[in-house]
Amino acid sequence: GAVVSQHPSWVICKSGTSVKIECRSLDFQATTMFWYRQFPKQSLMLMATSNEGSKATYEQGVEKDKFLINHASLTLSTLTVTSAHPEDSSFYICSARTGGPGELFFGEGSRLTVL
Amino acid sequence: GENVEQHPSTLSVQEGDSAVIKCTYSDSASNYFPWYKQELGKRPQLIIDIRSNVGEKKDQRIAVTLNKTAKHFSLHITETQPEDSAVYFCAASFGGTSYGKLTFGQGTILTVHP
Repeated sequence: GAVVSQHPSWVICKSGTSVKIECRSLDFQATTMFWYRQFPKQSLMLMATSNEGSKATYEQGVEKDKFLINHASLTLSTLTVTSAHPEDSSFYICSARTGGPGELFFGEGSRLTVL
Repeated sequence: GENVEQHPSTLSVQEGDSAVIKCTYSDSASNYFPWYKQELGKRPQLIIDIRSNVGEKKDQRIAVTLNKTAKHFSLHITETQPEDSAVYFCAASFGGTSYGKLTFGQGTILTVHP
């Protein structure tokens, strides 16, 4: 199947700093990628839909100025958590589809810990 | 928006028994229903999926059934093995440009005792 890779797999940062997470589709082009957040022992919640060449679409309750999404190419989407705080500590997972009604592929996830 | 309810939250079975996890969804426009297995700290892995034009799908020990009228779908695992222990999530989405925009259930922690 198609491969989606995330980097970094884990990151620890100080409160108030910004952190960038990358999501790459390694062997296919993804015009659309999705960013999910998963708190410990909870389900995955969709944060935003990342569209190549255009602005991301954010779900209700997700601050677009805090979670900056850039999808500058067909193989890369980035999520930047700005001015991170301890409550932003979570597992962030991206996903991408190959186009059409195919399987959705998930990245390995990035665990963010804000001290 | 879509809302997916999943039950039970925890399920404990003996090796060899069957396990059933049930989900209901709210949006009748949803037409794609995948099931994921997630191990601790890992990405969700698709184990089976079903589309709204199909009532049942089976893949070896795993099967999924869909009742569009009642808006519920279920995961059936037969002959469970300890390696089936994980968290299972159901999800729903509808097609078109929103394909891939999944709404997940709350998850079921499955424990298979040897």
